[in-house]
Amino acid sequence: KAGVTQTPRYLIKTRGQQVTLSCSPISGHRSVSWYQQTPGQGLQFLFEYFSETQRNKGNFPGRFSGRQFSNSRSEMNVSTLELGDSALYLCASSWGAGFLSYEQYFGPGTRLTVT
Amino acid sequence: GQQVMQIPQYQHVQEGEDFTTYCNSSTTLSNIQWYKQRPGGHPVFLIQLVKSGEVKKQKRLTFQFGEAKKNSSLHITATQTTDVGTYFCAGPITSGTYKYIFGTGTRLKVLA
Repeated sequence: KAGVTQTPRYLIKTRGQQVTLSCSPISGHRSVSWYQQTPGQGLQFLFEYFSETQRNKGNFPGRFSGRQFSNSRSEMNVSTLELGDSALYLCASSWGAGFLSYEQYFGPGTRLTVT
Repeated sequence: GQQVMQIPQYQHVQEGEDFTTYCNSSTTLSNIQWYKQRPGGHPVFLIQLVKSGEVKKQKRLTFQFGEAKKNSSLHITATQTTDVGTYFCAGPITSGTYKYIFGTGTRLKVLA
């Protein structure tokens, strides 16, 4: 069974630009969650999608948005990038909804650098 | 806001020594999960604890969930170099803005 895949793996953007990250969950998994990981703030929850609906959202500004498609693939968008958005963005998939009720499988992440 | 703190932040041990990391939440957790992240890698699920006072073992790893469901611990017996990485606990907070929180992590280094 293929694991969670994320594209691109590395990205360099300039302040003010926007970026879209993609996540393909494990086949059969319907829930996708996104996290931001930085050395200073650790792992922070962004949002969770299940069956194309956002079920939960962390405490991030509206510049961070996401969506999920009917095939469970998910995208995350960050608009008007700031230097502080430089981070490793991880997505995780699980079989069911309800974060932390099911084992989560993480992808390798997208390393975003904002200059 | 709600926080999940882990102590210690860093731990260096000699191979063969035991290691314990503690996870403390400011609020009650309905369940708790533990993850391991190797350097340069991504978090990998280790285990989930649900019941108050629950203890689970995986070979050399022992996980415990506190009676009040506000703390948890991971104990590794006779560490090996393959245990190197950062260990995170994570739990859903039952109230407040932050619904899903990862602990601050404990970075383990094992010296051969």
